[in-house]
Amino acid sequence: AQTVTQSQPEMSVQEAETVTLSCTYDTSENNYYLFWYKQPPSRQMILVIRQEAYKQQNATENRFSVNFQKAAKSFSLKISDSQLGDTAMYFCAFMKTSGTYKYIFGTGTRLKVLA
Amino acid sequence: EPEVTQTPSHQVTQMGQEVILRCVPISNHLYFYWYRQILGQKVEFLVSFYNNEISEKSEIFDDQFSVERPDGSNFTLKIRSTKLEDSAMYFCASSEFRGREKLFFGSGTQLSVL
Repeated sequence: AQTVTQSQPEMSVQEAETVTLSCTYDTSENNYYLFWYKQPPSRQMILVIRQEAYKQQNATENRFSVNFQKAAKSFSLKISDSQLGDTAMYFCAFMKTSGTYKYIFGTGTRLKVLA
Repeated sequence: EPEVTQTPSHQVTQMGQEVILRCVPISNHLYFYWYRQILGQKVEFLVSFYNNEISEKSEIFDDQFSVERPDGSNFTLKIRSTKLEDSAMYFCASSEFRGREKLFFGSGTQLSVL
């Protein structure tokens, strides 16, 4: 069975600084997707970034980028130039590409951006 | 941009009562899902639905739960006899046939069972 682990329950960062959230996962699959979702206080789930496991190149979306280490089963999220609006819960998620299309979520990291 | 809509945003019910949570997925999507999040915990998969039948369900999705697509637009989650531990945020999600990996989540229904 797949598992997703986020070892940092809470983090804080100064506005305009860079922060990295860690995520590790366990799977025997070779093909899969990884995601980072943001959940602000409104509790809506917002997709931040997505990575296909077969792609070696790390995904980037504006200030958000990932460091995907397939062999180490690590998928960290880097937020550059942190903004107050980045304050949220961040969830890492895993999805196989065959048989099932359900997400397996980690327990989340609560990020607070300080003014 | 198209979005998944959920109603109501908040639902309060008495233990033992039936509740129906409603969702309108994005119109051209074919896969539908329900997830739930107990306060302070991670988001958990409940059920996936395709071609008018359940594709997969978790152990949480017991006989008290059912899903239905009664017409061409709505997707509902019914809890027959609510328990205190059913109190949670329930998220509906949908995805296209191609690109099933990208789920679009609704804004959730907060269910409180008293």
